[in-house]
Amino acid sequence: GAGVSQSPRYKVAKRGQDVALRCDPISGHVSLFWYQQALGQGPEFLTYFQNEAQLDKSGLPSDRFFAERPEGSVSTLKIQRTQQEDSAVYLCASSLVATGTSGGRDTQYFGPGTRLTVL
Amino acid sequence: QKEVEQNSGPLSVPEGAIASLNCTYSDRGSQSFFWYRQYSGKSPELIMSIYSNGDKEDGRFTAQLNKASQYVSLLIRDSQPSDSATYLCAVNPGTGNQFYFGTGTSLTVIP
Repeated sequence: GAGVSQSPRYKVAKRGQDVALRCDPISGHVSLFWYQQALGQGPEFLTYFQNEAQLDKSGLPSDRFFAERPEGSVSTLKIQRTQQEDSAVYLCASSLVATGTSGGRDTQYFGPGTRLTVL
Repeated sequence: QKEVEQNSGPLSVPEGAIASLNCTYSDRGSQSFFWYRQYSGKSPELIMSIYSNGDKEDGRFTAQLNKASQYVSLLIRDSQPSDSATYLCAVNPGTGNQFYFGTGTSLTVIP
């Protein structure tokens, strides 16, 4: 059953390396979100997909960050030329309905996260 | 001003007591409100959602929403050591594509 899964759970990268983080949302969920969570902080929005369409990427901190969800299910967050300030936990969440739809079905369910450490 | 404000704590309560966690939000048009629990090193786990003014109870947890005052709270009755975690308040403003999260309140229940 399945909940949201993410891989890898931990990633150590040398500064300048590229990394790719994977998210498998709950089957049938329309919306997929990526968040960045720094130590002691709440999750900060990065980007949002409705099915395969990336409708909002306003939270991506730089053009080194790129996300895709080509078939409307699995998503990948790619970070190019990693920097030390990219070190954080990257959380993926999915919800059943598109944003703007409520009626009590807009709950986001989180994956376990990927802890990225850039040395 | 952040969209969602929480007292970061730490909040300590003895086992069996009531823990009260508070959250205020800035967007008066916000539609949906959520409390997530996050254990250290783990991902957020949904505790409660609330959409209408008033109280919503689920077991030992009660969420309270007051849209006029723009605050939402979470009460945990008969607190247990296993409730020790960080509690995140999240708000869906109903516009745009993101939820806004507070920084979380750290709760410790002392046996």
